[in-house]
Amino acid sequence: DQQVKQNSPSLSVQEGRISILNCDYTNSMFDYFLWYKKYPAEGPTFLISISSIKDKNEDGRFTVFLNKSAKHLSLHIVPSQPGDSAVYFCAASTDYKLSFGAGTTVTVRA
Amino acid sequence: DGGITQSPKYLFRKEGQNVTLSCEQNLNHDAMYWYRQDPGQGLRLIYYSQIVNDFQKGDIAEGYSVSREKKESFPLTVTSAQKNPTAFYLCASSQGTVHTFGSGTRLTVV
Repeated sequence: DQQVKQNSPSLSVQEGRISILNCDYTNSMFDYFLWYKKYPAEGPTFLISISSIKDKNEDGRFTVFLNKSAKHLSLHIVPSQPGDSAVYFCAASTDYKLSFGAGTTVTVRA
Repeated sequence: DGGITQSPKYLFRKEGQNVTLSCEQNLNHDAMYWYRQDPGQGLRLIYYSQIVNDFQKGDIAEGYSVSREKKESFPLTVTSAQKNPTAFYLCASSQGTVHTFGSGTRLTVV
């Protein structure tokens, strides 16, 4: 039973434009949400996170939005750069354990 | 330079053999985790340990075993009971919610 879902397996965006990645969850006990970026044959690297008591967190080009009533979060990348091409995983935490979505592969076109 | 080291990067196993994947961290983190990644799927939790000499099963622990004799080390043994062991294995550690990941071990059964 997958508690974190990323329904878009891939996203293609032009360089300089906005990338919007979406994530839905079912467990209302999740209290912290994270986004990780992963290149092939490497481990995921932490990008940005948000606590369940907030609705927005911003770090440079990356902004995460949380809508608790809809059990939905999104990651905005503005502007998108070629180095952003990677797989992005949404994760949700309870008791310091993470549940991951299946990932969205982002391709930034020149 | 603090981080997590996984070895080997690639591992080949014959059917019926047990193999052990190494994970060492020098971040002084209390908690350590093992995840498995399969194509098109998110990371799934195999085992985790929050303190030395204690560990708990994750969502897919069958066919795996772990030990936590030292804070820095959390080896994973893939036993012959694991029906489909070919996958990418990721070790992580944390002091809080944000996980730091190693670079992974790709295990292939031949």
